[in-house]
Amino acid sequence: DGGITQSPKYLFRKEGQNVTLSCEQNLNHDAMYWYRQDPGQGLRLIYYSQIVNDFQKGDIAEGYSVSREKKESFPLTVTSAQKNPTAFYLCASSIAGGEETQYFGPGTRLLVL
Amino acid sequence: GENVEQHPSTLSVQEGDSAVIKCTYSDSASNYFPWYKQELGKRPQLIIDIRSNVGEKKDQRIAVTLNKTAKHFSLHITETQPEDSAVYFCAAAFGGGFKTIFGAGTRLFVKA
Repeated sequence: DGGITQSPKYLFRKEGQNVTLSCEQNLNHDAMYWYRQDPGQGLRLIYYSQIVNDFQKGDIAEGYSVSREKKESFPLTVTSAQKNPTAFYLCASSIAGGEETQYFGPGTRLLVL
Repeated sequence: GENVEQHPSTLSVQEGDSAVIKCTYSDSASNYFPWYKQELGKRPQLIIDIRSNVGEKKDQRIAVTLNKTAKHFSLHITETQPEDSAVYFCAAAFGGGFKTIFGAGTRLFVKA
């Protein structure tokens, strides 16, 4: 777990603003994921990436965008199109996709001003 | 579509008692079933996992059982302690895909 980091820990967004959440891993994992967690809820998949320069939409991709230019990094942008962005965002990585253990970062809590 | 159902949503036990959490999954191609523990405000952490070629796996006070025919798997915690209090998530990884589907979580309270 220590090999995957997220920043910032807390992020405040003004209405109409795009914000970017950082996720970095030094585990040499090919696959990376972004999840959204609402209070008292489970994990919902936003985007995932199997390999550099490739990513796929998850179940709730609308209002979000990602890039995967480097193996170590998978930033998530919450755009102004996401009308209800307040949540706990978790990044994860795994050696490969599919039937492999996912290791989670510490999370970023996004709040709307 | 793929789905994982988890029960109960809340579980309260007395310290020293056992706790059981059950999950069912929809895709028979699933072959990997991890369990995660999440303490308040923290990241989910893997506590145990099982693959479809195994029916049961145990690690100290924690055990997981898998019934592939019925498509369900369970987490068993024996001799519960207050520090076991957390939210537990089951998950199923679907063969050939890159998605892991998570259950909605079970909030476990262990009363001292």
